Amino acid sequence: AQSVTQLGSHVSVSEGALVLLRCNYSSSVPPYLFWYVQYPNQGLQLLLKYTSAATLVKGINGFEAEFKKSETSFHLTKPSAHMSDAAEYFCAVSDAGGTSYGKLTFGQGTILTVHP
Amino acid sequence: DSGVTQTPKHLITATGQRVTLRCSPRSGDLSVYWYQQSLDQGLQFLIQYYNGEERAKGNILERFSAQQFPDLHSELNLSSLELGDSALYFCASSPGGLGYTFGSGTRLTVV
Repeated sequence: AQSVTQLGSHVSVSEGALVLLRCNYSSSVPPYLFWYVQYPNQGLQLLLKYTSAATLVKGINGFEAEFKKSETSFHLTKPSAHMSDAAEYFCAVSDAGGTSYGKLTFGQGTILTVHP
Repeated sequence: DSGVTQTPKHLITATGQRVTLRCSPRSGDLSVYWYQQSLDQGLQFLIQYYNGEERAKGNILERFSAQQFPDLHSELNLSSLELGDSALYFCASSPGGLGYTFGSGTRLTVV
């Protein structure tokens, strides 16, 4: 079974500050990991994904995440927050190499608030 | 526009009723996934179809069913609706594994 834990349901930062959203996963097989963003009243948009290539993954809108197997973590960072980054962020894991045929298990989400 | 089309966008219905949610995947994508998003349960995987066949089942209630048609569009049928079924229902598609694209969802309100 797989699981994802996002540490902190709410994170608040000032505009221009570092954004760090934490995600830890549990998987019995090598995982594929994803970060999605959801703006109010919208669907989920893929920010970035890790699929066993480079451990540092760059995504859209200046976000990046680093896969650390020893820490079972996949934290999302952005050097400088922008007001438009305010949204809910979801970390997800898939064991596409196993029997789940690629279904995603999501964390509970982290709401990012950006203050002027 | 993600390329995954879900209709309707909003649905309000009474308890005990039955509704059908529709999803058209991105052109060429064979896999369709259904997810439910609610405040108390978060994002939960319901079911997956691949090229017309059921591939994986998650926390889908017996009152819920789905199918994927030959043209690859999918429908999620929810029956004997309860207040607790109120949620956002998302469809996602992928060519055959990774690379999910989500639709904008159907917001179901059961009154």
